[in-house]
Amino acid sequence: NAGVMQNPRHLVRRRGQEARLRCSPMKGHSHVYWYRQLPEEGLKFMVYLQKENIIDESGMPKERFSAEFPKEGPSILRIQQVVRGDSAAYFCASSNLGTTDTQYFGPGTRLTVL
Amino acid sequence: QQPVQSPQAVILREGEDAVINCSSSKALYSVHWYRQKHGEAPVFLMILLKGGEQKGHEKISASFNEKKQQSSLYLTASQLSYSGTYFCGTVDRGSTLGRLYFGRGTQLTVWP
Repeated sequence: NAGVMQNPRHLVRRRGQEARLRCSPMKGHSHVYWYRQLPEEGLKFMVYLQKENIIDESGMPKERFSAEFPKEGPSILRIQQVVRGDSAAYFCASSNLGTTDTQYFGPGTRLTVL
Repeated sequence: QQPVQSPQAVILREGEDAVINCSSSKALYSVHWYRQKHGEAPVFLMILLKGGEQKGHEKISASFNEKKQQSSLYLTASQLSYSGTYFCGTVDRGSTLGRLYFGRGTQLTVWP
């Protein structure tokens, strides 16, 4: 049973470009969470999605960031017009039942903005 | 709200014990513990759902004091493999959204 998969593992973008991060949840999981981690800091919640629905996006910046989890295919976190401050590790996690169920994390995408 | 972890860092010799604390200013529904090694994903350790609940995983165990809104992680007879950063994540009581609020982490270093 494959775990949570994320790609790419490393992504380098120049300021102003777009970054697309992908997350495939564990088999059977329909709840996906995205977190951002800055160096030497904890994980900060960004957004919680179920298939085709955004449940909670209260942690996501209002501009330039968007997320989706289509009926088919992986969840995607998109960052438009990236700035240096977007450089971070972005982790997604998935769970089976949502709410208070265990969240299993993927290996993360390390975004570097030049 | 973000829970507070203490201590920020712990240095141990192999075989020594450690306790990591996690406290919240809000009533909690559950506490989740993870360990993260540098450059890797957080790895789930355990989840505590009920006040007074205690769980164990090999020589790592945890307790959840619902009244005090805090949890403690106990590492017994530490091994080199225990090194890493430990995070607690909390879900507020009454939350239906499932978002985890993570503490800033406790960095544990075990020396031979």
